[in-house]
Amino acid sequence: TQLLEQSPQFLSIQEGENLTVYCNSSSVFSSLQWYRQEPGEGPVLLVTVVTGGEVKKLKRLTFQFGDARKDSSLHITAAQPGDTGLYLCAGPNYGGSQGNLIFGKGTKLSVKP
Amino acid sequence: DSGVTQTPKHLITATGQRVTLRCSPRSGDLSVYWYQQSLDQGLQFLIQYYNGEERAKGNILERFSAQQFPDLHSELNLSSLELGDSALYFCASSVSGQFFSPLHFGNGTRLTVT
Repeated sequence: TQLLEQSPQFLSIQEGENLTVYCNSSSVFSSLQWYRQEPGEGPVLLVTVVTGGEVKKLKRLTFQFGDARKDSSLHITAAQPGDTGLYLCAGPNYGGSQGNLIFGKGTKLSVKP
Repeated sequence: DSGVTQTPKHLITATGQRVTLRCSPRSGDLSVYWYQQSLDQGLQFLIQYYNGEERAKGNILERFSAQQFPDLHSELNLSSLELGDSALYFCASSVSGQFFSPLHFGNGTRLTVT
């Protein structure tokens, strides 16, 4: 069974701090995606990482896909209150049919001004 | 705005009842997905449709059913509701329904069963 485990579950920091959240699995994934979900809204895709060792940057957010394609991390530099939300990683569900994703349970980030 | 519309936004009903959740996908998207989000289980895939046909099934209970209509909108029917069915139900759509086709989520329907 494919599982994506995210850590930490909760993170509360002050504005300006740096942070890293993790997404780990015992299974190999062909790609992983990161979503951010704000209260009252659906998840919004931030990035897709496809190649082992790949690093992608989105402004102050840096995403890395592990060399073995079993894990990924999201690093935020100089966090801002607008970064507050639930960060979810997701990967293709090979056990089922094409197209659907399995999600980790997420890291709930709170950035205080 | 993702372009995916879900109605209603909130739904409160009693145990044993039946409800219908509606989703209009983003213009041009042929595939629709339904997900259930609860605090303890996270986002769980329920079912996927592509151009009116069922494509994949996940952890969907037998009391739940869905369909995608010719105009591509989809409905999720939940019957014999139990307290444990209280959750956020999200619809997402994508162009092709393949792994690399990004999902666009609606803002969900919050179902409360009392």
